Amino acid sequence: DGGITQSPKYLFRKEGQNVTLSCEQNLNHDAMYWYRQDPGQGLRLIYYSQIVNDFQKGDIAEGYSVSREKKESFPLTVTSAQKNPTAFYLCASSRQPRNNEQFFGPGTRLTVL
Amino acid sequence: QQQVKQSPQSLIVQKGGISIINCAYENTAFDYFPWYQQFPGKGPALLIAIRPDVSEKKEGRFTISFNKSAKQFSLHIMDSQPGDSATYFCAASMEVSGTYKYIFGTGTRLKVLA
Repeated sequence: DGGITQSPKYLFRKEGQNVTLSCEQNLNHDAMYWYRQDPGQGLRLIYYSQIVNDFQKGDIAEGYSVSREKKESFPLTVTSAQKNPTAFYLCASSRQPRNNEQFFGPGTRLTVL
Repeated sequence: QQQVKQSPQSLIVQKGGISIINCAYENTAFDYFPWYQQFPGKGPALLIAIRPDVSEKKEGRFTISFNKSAKQFSLHIMDSQPGDSATYFCAASMEVSGTYKYIFGTGTRLKVLA
């Protein structure tokens, strides 16, 4: 089955710790995205990548970092610099940057204790 | 200018009724308007999408109406069912610096009463 997987589904972190969220896709999509979702707000773009070894900041990149070493993988690290990291994180991909349809993974809910 | 305004924030509809969710945008550079359906604890799933050269698109019980001059588009769910109870997001997409960015509305929580 083709799709996007995110792990873990739930993640708890102590303040001051970095944590990495996994996103893998087997759709052979070139572009991948990370969004943050908070209650009552739309999805906000954190980072995106159009090709391997290249990525750009989205609207709320501060306190986050990413890498794109493989086409299939786009992990997101939430660093201790992120002031309010508790949120639902969604990874998405699209076939090409110019192909508009984005497919979403199931999400990771991060809670900072 | 990149905002997408969505209303209402929540909606309660009787089974069999019509659910209507509205979105408005300002930037005429947007050229793709998808609607996503999201169930609690899940990722959004594409429901239906439209491009501005079309005024209406229908897929089953779901219809998008698009008014280019008013810069508005809406989702109509006919014969609403309890299984349609979810949060619905509209979005608008445009090319920015060589890639397509989505701007999402704030979501509408739909509850269909049995």
